[in-house]
Amino acid sequence: SAVISQKPSRDICQRGTSLTIQCQVDSQVTMMFWYRQQPGQSLTLIATANQGSEATYESGFVIDKFPISRPNLTFSTLTVSNMSPEDSSIYLCSVESANYGYTFGSGTRLTVV
Amino acid sequence: GQQLNQSPQSMFIQEGEDVSMNCTSSSIFNTWLWYKQDPGEGPVLLIALYKAGELTSNGRLTAQFGITRKDSFLNISASIPSDVGIYFCAGQLGGNKLVFGAGTILRVKS
Repeated sequence: SAVISQKPSRDICQRGTSLTIQCQVDSQVTMMFWYRQQPGQSLTLIATANQGSEATYESGFVIDKFPISRPNLTFSTLTVSNMSPEDSSIYLCSVESANYGYTFGSGTRLTVV
Repeated sequence: GQQLNQSPQSMFIQEGEDVSMNCTSSSIFNTWLWYKQDPGEGPVLLIALYKAGELTSNGRLTAQFGITRKDSFLNISASIPSDVGIYFCAGQLGGNKLVFGAGTILRVKS
């Protein structure tokens, strides 16, 4: 499968601050996605990261809260802005490729205190 | 929005037993996927199903894409302790987006 490196793997942040999560893929992929997994819950799609244009957000998620960059076909960032304890979750990068289907990174475990 | 109903929520079985879990939906999906997630890790793809009626195996795992395209099941034969984890079904709609089930927590008694 495509190898995805996600950083940081975990962080503890103060409320009101922002955290940027990086996702690096070892090959060029067309589709990159960002998911949130709240404690003990399933995965919910936040947005599709589009290369060279604004991300496409799902219902309930907005750009001001979760700005996303996709400067090229192997890299994307997700920022969690103005954090509150309710943002404590695992954030996962995912890619879709013709060869390997849908692959996930190991996630970023975020705790907001 | 679209929802997947995954059952059971959790299972506690003896080592060596067979396991079955399934997902149903009111929506038609183009693709069904089954993932396993271990603690502290992202989901790992187990089986992908692309055609209605398709039956696919991966070692001790077998999964089927329902004829109606609204359901799928995953079977694990002769379970072993390392099978513990959370299993998720996911359905792909048009536009490459995935919708996930709530997950099945599998615990195995050795």
